[in-house]
Amino acid sequence: DAGVIQSPRHEVTEMGQEVTLRCKPISGHDYLFWYRQTMMRGLELLIYFNNNVPIDDSGMPEDRFSAKMPNASFSTLKIQPSEPRDSAVYFCASSAAGPKHFGDGTRLSIL
Amino acid sequence: QQQVKQSPQSLIVQKGGISIINCAYENTAFDYFPWYQQFPGKGPALLIAIRPDVSEKKEGRFTISFNKSAKQFSLHIMDSQPGDSATYFCAASSGSARQLTFGSGTQLTVLP
Repeated sequence: DAGVIQSPRHEVTEMGQEVTLRCKPISGHDYLFWYRQTMMRGLELLIYFNNNVPIDDSGMPEDRFSAKMPNASFSTLKIQPSEPRDSAVYFCASSAAGPKHFGDGTRLSIL
Repeated sequence: QQQVKQSPQSLIVQKGGISIINCAYENTAFDYFPWYQQFPGKGPALLIAIRPDVSEKKEGRFTISFNKSAKQFSLHIMDSQPGDSATYFCAASSGSARQLTFGSGTQLTVLP
């Protein structure tokens, strides 16, 4: 079991650029979650999917954020245009009936 | 009502000592209370979890104590080791999706 795989691990880009974060969940897991971690706000749930369908996106901060899950083995979180306040560590997690398994995150820095 | 309040923010313990981290919640619909451990550069990893039908759960050196009436739960780390130095998050959830509401985290340092 390779675990949840996120890419890239680090991303540095300039304000206004489009950023795409990627996640490969654990095979067989039917839930996928995107979280954001900052010092000020801690771990926040942005959106989650069940069987590739978005169920709750109420945590997505603005329309600049979008997430897709085109198939059971891949999800993306996109920010367009990016802003410095989007700088954070973004985690993807997946689960089946049991506990969530987190990836090691993408550290995003918007200059 | 969705908040989970965690304390202390940081904790320093001598090797062999007991580390205690506390959490409190308001939402009575919460029915699953996990603790996560996070090392620098890594994602949170499930450490131990409890449901409200029991008052205590122990796994090795880690124990969760749960007080349903007070809406509080705590993590006790016995015989703390330097390798336990990490950030610990309590969390709570309800529903089939287990959408987690996290506490603010406690940075634990265990001195050798």
